[in-house]
Amino acid sequence: SAVISQKPSRDICQRGTSLTIQCQVDSQVTMMFWYRQQPGQSLTLIATANQGSEATYESGFVIDKFPISRPNLTFSTLTVSNMSPEDSSIYLCSVSLNTEAFFGQGTRLTVV
Amino acid sequence: GQQLNQSPQSMFIQEGEDVSMNCTSSSIFNTWLWYKQDPGEGPVLLIALYKAGELTSNGRLTAQFGITRKDSFLNISASIPSDVGIYFCAGPPSGAGSYQLTFGKGTKLSVIP
Repeated sequence: SAVISQKPSRDICQRGTSLTIQCQVDSQVTMMFWYRQQPGQSLTLIATANQGSEATYESGFVIDKFPISRPNLTFSTLTVSNMSPEDSSIYLCSVSLNTEAFFGQGTRLTVV
Repeated sequence: GQQLNQSPQSMFIQEGEDVSMNCTSSSIFNTWLWYKQDPGEGPVLLIALYKAGELTSNGRLTAQFGITRKDSFLNISASIPSDVGIYFCAGPPSGAGSYQLTFGKGTKLSVIP
C-alpha cells in the first residue's frame, strides 16, 4: 500500500480566490490522480498527473481551472482557481500500485 | 463515459445482521475494487478482484467478481457499528487504462445498535 498525505485537510475560501492542495506520497510513483467528490456524490476523476509532462484532464475539467504540478515522483499539487460556490467539494489525491488505487484523506473545500 | 450502477443506495440494518450490496455495468470490467469511506476520510480499499468468478474474503467481508465480468457483489456478515460508512465499487472498464477508475455512486450503510 501507499501512505498519502494531503493538506490542507479543509479550508473555507472566498469566491474568486484560488487554493492549492498538496499531496505527498511515501514512495515514488509514476502517476498520481486527482479526484473531486461533490457533496453526497461519488468520485470523479479530474486529471492524471505524470512527472515530467503535462497533466491529462478528463472531460469537463480544464487546466486553466485546475492547474496541476508534478515536480517529482512523490509530490503533486492541484490548484482550484477563481473559485465559486460550485467548487465546494472534497478533493482527493490518489496513487495506483498494481492496479489498486489508494487515497489521501481528502481536502474538504467550502467556497463562500 | 462508463457507468457503474450500485445498489442499494442506502441501507439501515440491525447490528448483527448480514449485508449485501452489488454493482453492475453495461460494460466489461477487468478489475473490481470495493472501498469504504468514513466521514471526513478518503476511501480505503477493502477488497480487490481480478478474475471472473473470483471470490475473495477479508475478515467479515466477502466479494465476488461476476462471471460475465459486468457485476460484483460485496457481503458483510454479522455487522457491527463500525461498519457504518459509504461503500463504493470501482474499476477500470475494459479498454481504459488500468489506472483510470470509474466509481459507483455508493451504498450508505447505517447500523442500528
